[in-house]
Amino acid sequence: DQQVKQNSPSLSVQEGRISILNCDYTNSMFDYFLWYKKYPAEGPTFLISISSIKDKNEDGRFTVFLNKSAKHLSLHIVPSQPGDSAVYFCAASARRMNYGGSQGNLIFGKGTKLSVKP
Amino acid sequence: DGGITQSPKYLFRKEGQNVTLSCEQNLNHDAMYWYRQDPGQGLRLIYYSQIVNDFQKGDIAEGYSVSREKKESFPLTVTSAQKNPTAFYLCASNAIEAGYGYTFGSGTRLTVV
Repeated sequence: DQQVKQNSPSLSVQEGRISILNCDYTNSMFDYFLWYKKYPAEGPTFLISISSIKDKNEDGRFTVFLNKSAKHLSLHIVPSQPGDSAVYFCAASARRMNYGGSQGNLIFGKGTKLSVKP
Repeated sequence: DGGITQSPKYLFRKEGQNVTLSCEQNLNHDAMYWYRQDPGQGLRLIYYSQIVNDFQKGDIAEGYSVSREKKESFPLTVTSAQKNPTAFYLCASNAIEAGYGYTFGSGTRLTVV
């Protein structure tokens, strides 16, 4: 059973417009959420994160919103640039959760491939 | 510079052979992880280790083995028992007490020929 879901496998956006990537989770014990960006044949790189005590975190063009009641988070990229084209993974973690015997392991969604067209 | 290094970048294996993927980190991280990425599958956890000489199975451990003899190193062996080994393999590490984020290596593409 997927605990972190990214229901859109792909998203296409025009350069300069807003990109909105969505992520849903099922486990209310998650208390920290992260977004990673991945180019082909490379490892994921950390993009932005948010703690469950906040509902918004902003870093330059990237903003993550968290709606705990809906168990939903989203990543906004404004303005979108062609270099943002990549696969974006949502991940969640819980200090108190015993995932496979270990607290704090990240659980990843399946990713959303973003294409920003010039 | 501190980081996590995976080698080789590309690896070819004949069916029936075991092969070992290297992962080394100089970040002084306690925990290390191996993930497998397949198209449309996201990142699936194979094995992880939080301390030297100890490791735990992830979601898809069958056909794989690991060791953690040193804090810096967490090699993954893909055995002949793994039925579909062709994939992109990612190693990651993190400092458990410092937070939640992982640092990833650049990956190894394994192809069975």
